[in-house]
Amino acid sequence: SQTIHQWPATLVQPVGSPLSLECTVEGTSNPNLYWYRQAAGRGLQLLFYSVGIGQISSEVPQNLSASRPQDRQFILSSKKLLLSDSGFYLCAWSGRLNEKLFFGSGTQLSVL
Amino acid sequence: DQQVKQNSPSLSVQEGRISILNCDYTNSMFDYFLWYKKYPAEGPTFLISISSIKDKNEDGRFTVFLNKSAKHLSLHIVPSQPGDSAVYFCAAGTPNTGNQFYFGTGTSLTVIP
Repeated sequence: SQTIHQWPATLVQPVGSPLSLECTVEGTSNPNLYWYRQAAGRGLQLLFYSVGIGQISSEVPQNLSASRPQDRQFILSSKKLLLSDSGFYLCAWSGRLNEKLFFGSGTQLSVL
Repeated sequence: DQQVKQNSPSLSVQEGRISILNCDYTNSMFDYFLWYKKYPAEGPTFLISISSIKDKNEDGRFTVFLNKSAKHLSLHIVPSQPGDSAVYFCAAGTPNTGNQFYFGTGTSLTVIP
């Protein structure tokens, strides 16, 4: 069966520090991969999605970036965090038919 | 621009009664719709979906209705249970074109025992 792993579960970082969140999927190949963010009191905002290795599409301009170095690995990064980057970050995957998203357990990021 | 809207941020319902969660969308090209349930500090879990060729899909206590002309869908939970208390997100998209799902802002449902 397919599983998605996302870590860390919580993270507290100072403003201006770098960020790296990692997500891996098991039990499937060539998935579509996504990074979403849920800011306090807001819905799920799509940040990045990827349909293949090295293929990244950005939905929202920001100081975050994403990379897909391997088929089932998706990384969210920042060189310098802002206070506004605080939120709950979710990784998700879907199959090629793209008819359902499966989410990871999320990372609660607090930038202080 | 918010393409999927959930205008009720919260809803309270007595246990055993019906919960109705509403969702509106603006893009008439959307042809596939999903509902997710989310507990605090956890990822959303899939509940039920519906494609635009249908106007109703049922799975146990959960039924989703789609009104394409009104660009509106709703999730009915009957009977509501305390364990249903969570945030519910609707999502819409055009998966066959490879485009992405867009999520609403969520409705927090509280089922009162």
